[in-house]
Amino acid sequence: DAGVTQSPTHLIKTRGQQVTLRCSPKSGHDTVSWYQQALGQGPQFIFQYYEEEERQRGNFPDRFSGHQFPNYSSELNVNALLLGDSALYLCASSLKRLGEQYFGPGTRLTVT
Amino acid sequence: LAKTTQPISMDSYEGQEVNITCSHNNIATNDYITWYQQFPSQGPRFIIQGYKTKVTNEVASLFIPADRKSSTLSLPRVSLSDTAVYYCLVGDGPGGYSSASKIIFGSGTRLSIRP
Repeated sequence: DAGVTQSPTHLIKTRGQQVTLRCSPKSGHDTVSWYQQALGQGPQFIFQYYEEEERQRGNFPDRFSGHQFPNYSSELNVNALLLGDSALYLCASSLKRLGEQYFGPGTRLTVT
Repeated sequence: LAKTTQPISMDSYEGQEVNITCSHNNIATNDYITWYQQFPSQGPRFIIQGYKTKVTNEVASLFIPADRKSSTLSLPRVSLSDTAVYYCLVGDGPGGYSSASKIIFGSGTRLSIRP
C-alpha cells in the first residue's frame, strides 16, 4: 500500500518563474492538503482539496493555486516565485476531509 | 481556533520517559488533540490522538485532564531515534484540525535525546 508520494524531490527555480509540484495521495484517500514549511518553522497550511474543489485556504496569496484530479492526485502551482517561497512543500492526504492526515516526504524548493 | 503553546525545546537521555506538555486554553467542546512527530527533511508523522482522559498506543500515551486545557504526550524509554520535533494540534476534526478554520501547526517542541 503506497503512502503519499510527491514529485519532484528537489527543485531549483529562479525568481519570477513558475513551478508545479505534484502529489499522489495514500491509497483510499480522497482529500489532499498542501503545506509550506520554512526552515525551522512548523508547517503552514496553504489549502485543501476535496472532490476537485478548494475547500479551505490558509493565508497565502493568489500566486499559490492548486488542482485536484479525478484520481484524487493534486498539483500545487506557484507563480512569480519570490526568494521567500523557498521552503519544503508538504502534501498530506486524508479521507473525507477530517480524517487523520498522512504526509508525504515533501518537495524542497529553492528559489534563487 | 484553539491556539497551542509548547516548550520550544527539551533534552533527555536514552531510556528515560519524556513528557511534553501542550497548553490549549481555548479548546472547544468538539476539538480533538493530535500529536505529530517530524524528522528533518521529512513530512510529519501522526503519533497519537485523543479527546479526554488517557489514550495509549504502541509508541506513546496521551494524558488529557478533565478541563482539557492542556495535554501531555508521554514517550516511554526514549531512544536516540526519538530525536525530532513534536507538534501538538487542536481541532474539531479527527485529523487534528478544524474543518471551519485554518490549520495551524505552531513551532513545535524540539526534543533532543542524548546517549
